[in-house]
Amino acid sequence: GAVVSQHPSWVICKSGTSVKIECRSLDFQATTMFWYRQFPKQSLMLMATSNEGSKATYEQGVEKDKFLINHASLTLSTLTVTSAHPEDSSFYICSARYSGSPNEQFFGPGTRLTVL
Amino acid sequence: GDSVTQMEGPVTLSEEAFLTINCTYTATGYPSLFWYVQYPGEGLQLLLKATKADDKGSNKGFEATYRKETTSFHLEKGSVQVSDSAVYFCALSDRGGADGLTFGKGTHLIIQP
Repeated sequence: GAVVSQHPSWVICKSGTSVKIECRSLDFQATTMFWYRQFPKQSLMLMATSNEGSKATYEQGVEKDKFLINHASLTLSTLTVTSAHPEDSSFYICSARYSGSPNEQFFGPGTRLTVL
Repeated sequence: GDSVTQMEGPVTLSEEAFLTINCTYTATGYPSLFWYVQYPGEGLQLLLKATKADDKGSNKGFEATYRKETTSFHLEKGSVQVSDSAVYFCALSDRGGADGLTFGKGTHLIIQP
């Protein structure tokens, strides 16, 4: 149980376009979802926290207008990278937790974004 | 702010060797500490955790003890197997995991038969 999926697993786009990444909790209702970003050989950096039906809380230094997060239901959160540029190329990972397991986050497999 | 420092890899060991992956942290409060493992092509999975000083987390033969005096949470296993080859991340959370996690850079472990 407690499976989280991400779609797509990888995406290549042109500079200036927008890309949407989906994060789904497949067998539980996620009260909170988190979005992380990972650069090569670097740690995962928390970008934002989202609660269903509320606006996401962004970490310092993360542009909320560039990285749009929508947590419209208890099983789906989306991250949209708007007007993507090559420096946005990275590995994006989501995680989710539910009320029955407040101390554990369940991670998706990640999405590799490459902006040309 | 909070930070986690762990030894950088890759770490290459022979099967049945003893494993230690060092992890130290800096935090303002009393964080919960975690080890996550990422197998090739899969998402991060919680390996073990400890929520207060002197707690020992254990799972699948791995152990780590929350040492407040040395701000450390080193991961150990007495006899590693080829199937333990993965990337291991040390992490902390100020609110027991309810908040986003602060991660170390990860340690790539390679076990050779």
